[in-house]
Amino acid sequence: EAQVTQNPRYLITVTGKKLTVTCSQNMNHEYMSWYRQDPGLGLRQIYYSMNVEVTDKGDVPEGYKVSRKEKRNFPLILESPSPNQTSLYFCASSPLRDSGNTIYFGEGSWLTVV
Amino acid sequence: KQEVTQIPAALSVPEGENLVLNCSFTDSAIYNLQWFRQDPGKGLTSLLLIQSSQREQTSGRLNASLDKSSGRSTLYIAASQPGDSATYLCAVLYGQNFVFGPGTRLSVLP
Repeated sequence: EAQVTQNPRYLITVTGKKLTVTCSQNMNHEYMSWYRQDPGLGLRQIYYSMNVEVTDKGDVPEGYKVSRKEKRNFPLILESPSPNQTSLYFCASSPLRDSGNTIYFGEGSWLTVV
Repeated sequence: KQEVTQIPAALSVPEGENLVLNCSFTDSAIYNLQWFRQDPGKGLTSLLLIQSSQREQTSGRLNASLDKSSGRSTLYIAASQPGDSATYLCAVLYGQNFVFGPGTRLSVLP
């Protein structure tokens, strides 16, 4: 089954403790992206990647890192999480080869930083 | 920079009504426009995709139109049902990235 898988789905952590949210897709997509969603602020892009070893900042990259060493994986790293990073996070992927392609989302990761 | 807006931000209608959601974008150089549905705390599900060369797409009770020159799209929902209650987002494929609107929160009352 074609899917985007995020882990963990739910996490409560403490300020300053490094954490990684993994994202994996099994569709051989070139494009992958991370978003955060907060009440009243909609879906905001953190980072995206057009292919292996190619990453770009989105609208809200501060406090986050990403890497794209393999085509299928795009982990989101919070080196020193702070309470303002408490949010619902989504990973997404797309083939992006032509205008008929959509974007596929994972189920989301609820992150709470205390 | 591409910006996508949606009007209204929220909408509450009685069951059975036909309704229209609006999406606007600032730069017409898009590859496609999509409408998504999101249930609370869940991921996004693609509803309709309109390629830049197309004018509209239909799926069941949903019809989406695209007017690239004016930077607008509408999502028409016919005979609304309580199960249609969700947030609806539009997104454009612009350059090599997707740009999302803030969404319209729809409540269909029984």
